[in-house]
Amino acid sequence: RKEVEQDPGPFNVPEGATVAFNCTYSNSASQSFFWYRQDCRKEPKLLMSVYSSGNEDGRFTAQLNRASQYISLLIRDSKLSDSATYLCVVTPSGGYNKLIFGAGTRLAVHP
Amino acid sequence: GAGVSQSPSNKVTEKGKDVELRCDPISGHTALYWYRQSLGQGLEFLIYFQGNSAPDKSGLPSDRFSAERTGGSVSTLTIQRTQQEDSAVYLCASSFGVSGELFFGEGSRLTVL
Repeated sequence: RKEVEQDPGPFNVPEGATVAFNCTYSNSASQSFFWYRQDCRKEPKLLMSVYSSGNEDGRFTAQLNRASQYISLLIRDSKLSDSATYLCVVTPSGGYNKLIFGAGTRLAVHP
Repeated sequence: GAGVSQSPSNKVTEKGKDVELRCDPISGHTALYWYRQSLGQGLEFLIYFQGNSAPDKSGLPSDRFSAERTGGSVSTLTIQRTQQEDSAVYLCASSFGVSGELFFGEGSRLTVL
């Protein structure tokens, strides 16, 4: 079983739609969680951290469910510029020496 | 520029040759990471440096792979006797201290013929 699993998609949605991605992780001792964004043929960039209480940044909301070992990302009012691959990232335990990346979920927003 | 710099951006080599990939992190960033990404795949962790030390080498796929970091700055990833399965984009990232925010370079695309 992979340490971090994501639905590869693609999710094809119209502009203005709300879309949600989930990610599951296998190590219950995982400490920290993040969502990164990777545009086609570009390097990954941090989108947002995921806190136990959940957090929101504009149109983006991230939530953590430790009991079920999954994190989610909700994007409201999708824009064309949101088209990218969204990577779920987990740190196993005790520090950031090894960030484990999921394979990513591809989002395509169309007019 | 002020970002993470990697070279070469593209490298085509023949099977069995050695290659060196270089990473110049953001100035002042103490942590440095190497990952690789194969076509359509996720990022595979290779190695992590804190300063010049590599406390976690668990991701290096074989003894053909080695990495070093000198002066707490530039790092070199060396692949000896390259194989076709080594073809991938090798990404370097740095962070200030121990942080979940990694700043990635644009990667070195390695093609082994």
